[in-house]
Amino acid sequence: DADVTQTPRNRITKTGKRIMLECSQTKGHDRMYWYRQDPGLGLRLIYYSFDVKDINKGEISDGYSVSRQAQAKFSLSLESAIPNQTALYFCATSDGGWSTEAFFGQGTRLTVV
Amino acid sequence: QKEVEQDPGPLSVPEGAIVSLNCTYSNSAFQYFMWYRQYSRKGPELLMYTYSSGNKEDGRFTAQVDKSSKYISLFIRDSQPSDSATYLCAMSFGTASKLTFGTGTRLQVTL
Repeated sequence: DADVTQTPRNRITKTGKRIMLECSQTKGHDRMYWYRQDPGLGLRLIYYSFDVKDINKGEISDGYSVSRQAQAKFSLSLESAIPNQTALYFCATSDGGWSTEAFFGQGTRLTVV
Repeated sequence: QKEVEQDPGPLSVPEGAIVSLNCTYSNSAFQYFMWYRQYSRKGPELLMYTYSSGNKEDGRFTAQVDKSSKYISLFIRDSQPSDSATYLCAMSFGTASKLTFGTGTRLQVTL
């Protein structure tokens, strides 16, 4: 089993729908992150959490919310999906500072039509 | 201007070639530099990590940081078809600051 598991792997949803992307990890790391990847824009940080009680906005948090249900679980929600949220979403974990190795999930390809 | 610039490619080379991948950055405060490799339909994986200036070698891979020029490079010797992937540079100001990623360079190594 993968150390960082994202579900679903692929999702097509309609504009205005609420959607949740889930992430679970078996690494035992405290730090978890959500990124989105777009062609020509690279990886951009949406939200991050350093422990269960800590949630922080990244550079592109508008239109998104997160929930840290447990050390191992971090979910990303799109309250009302819009087409420009079509992207590849990655969850990641790390056990130390920002400059330590981040372990990424396989990604969720989200299409908003 | 983006903080980190990276040519998206694609870069196509024959098997056995030496590959040079590069990133430039604008903020001289960056101290930690990383290269991630991302295969198609997979998440990125850390390939190389360097602190401040200098070179670091790991097998066929060499990471080089030139802070005076704000330029980092990844060299791949004796490239193999299995090296075909997207390579993303990433950097941070310190252990307490976020990573800033380049856009990634897509590399294809042909037989």
